[in-house]
Amino acid sequence: DAGVTQSPTHLIKTRGQQVTLRCSPKSGHDTVSWYQQALGQGPQFIFQYYEEEERQRGNFPDRFSGHQYPNYSSELNVNALLLGDSALYLCASSLRGRNEQFFGPGTRLTVL
Amino acid sequence: AQTVTQSQPEMSVQEAETVTLSCTYDTSENNYYLFWYKQPPSRQMILVIRQEAYKQQNATENRFSVNFQKAAKSFSLKISDSQLGDTAMYFCAFHFYGSGNTGKLIFGQGTTLQVKP
Repeated sequence: DAGVTQSPTHLIKTRGQQVTLRCSPKSGHDTVSWYQQALGQGPQFIFQYYEEEERQRGNFPDRFSGHQYPNYSSELNVNALLLGDSALYLCASSLRGRNEQFFGPGTRLTVL
Repeated sequence: AQTVTQSQPEMSVQEAETVTLSCTYDTSENNYYLFWYKQPPSRQMILVIRQEAYKQQNATENRFSVNFQKAAKSFSLKISDSQLGDTAMYFCAFHFYGSGNTGKLIFGQGTTLQVKP
């Protein structure tokens, strides 16, 4: 049973560029959440997708957007990258109504 | 505001000994879950243990147990018989349900635990 997968593993971008991160949820899961984890800090909630719609959003600017596909996979897009966007981006999947979230290995984004 | 505080940035313990990680949280909600997650150096976040706030009995998972004090809003993690593989960063987290919340996890800053041989 495949767990949560994310791609790419690492990514280096320059300021002002745009980036797309991808996530495939654990088999049977229908809900995907995205988190940003700065070095040495706890993860911060970005948003959550269910039934292809953004259901809840954290305190992140509109530069952060997402999408969920009919197969429940999800993308996180960040426009106009800033140095402060450098972080580990974690995807977590769950089954709607269940409280446990399963995390992927993350994508390490470095903005130069 | 919903917050989680882990007051111990770093801790160490000798192999086979017991260690307790502290966590306090602040919320005005009554319905919520509490979690401890482990993040080894390989980065994958793994759920260690969970506690439903409406349950008075403390959760236990093998060598891991919690001390849940709802009135004090305290949720500590005890690791017994520590093993080298327990070396990791540990995060305390919670999410409340209802009121339009769909499961947003709120994390603490983390405690880095090193188990020494």
